[in-house]
Amino acid sequence: SAVISQKPSRDICQRGTSLTIQCQVDSQVTMMFWYRQQPGQSLTLIATANQGSEATYESGFVIDKFPISRPNLTFSTLTVSNMSPEDSSIYLCSVDVAGDTEAFFGQGTRLTVV
Amino acid sequence: GENVEQHPSTLSVQEGDSAVIKCTYSDSASNYFPWYKQELGKRPQLIIDIRSNVGEKKDQRIAVTLNKTAKHFSLHITETQPEDSAVYFCAASSNSGYALNFGKGTSLLVTP
Repeated sequence: SAVISQKPSRDICQRGTSLTIQCQVDSQVTMMFWYRQQPGQSLTLIATANQGSEATYESGFVIDKFPISRPNLTFSTLTVSNMSPEDSSIYLCSVDVAGDTEAFFGQGTRLTVV
Repeated sequence: GENVEQHPSTLSVQEGDSAVIKCTYSDSASNYFPWYKQELGKRPQLIIDIRSNVGEKKDQRIAVTLNKTAKHFSLHITETQPEDSAVYFCAASSNSGYALNFGKGTSLLVTP
């Protein structure tokens, strides 16, 4: 299993600014994933982050808008840049643990852009 | 890419009745199918999962069935209780790093 600490848990931000979300795992993991959950919607994968390489982005998401860092095997950050009200969502990080089938989720960051 | 369809979007049952949620997927390479329960304001929690080499899996009141030929899988909850009320998501993965493609979710309401 894995324990994931994600911060901040929530934030209210002004449009045009940026917010960096942190995801810390209590064990080393190969891949970390960032998802977005818009209000009342399902989870959509933003990108997959491997340590030591650039993140792989899904269709509709670009690095300039959602830059991701993965400096080591236990930590990743997602930045939401130049925010607009449409970016108001819950952002969740997720990890897979080698030898375990379950994907574990952080508690999420509830972002409101005003 | 993978496309996961989930039905119904809302489901209301009486306490004690059964609930069934169905999902279909498009990518024949998908081989891992988890189900998540998400209560309001909380993170998704895995409730059961199944791999493609198994047709059915059961855990107490919850069961999942998989038909690889038809590319569909279903969640069955028996003897439903009010605390089962939540949003349920199905997902599929091709096991390539466990990136999950989610269905749109089913809001289940169990009324006493």
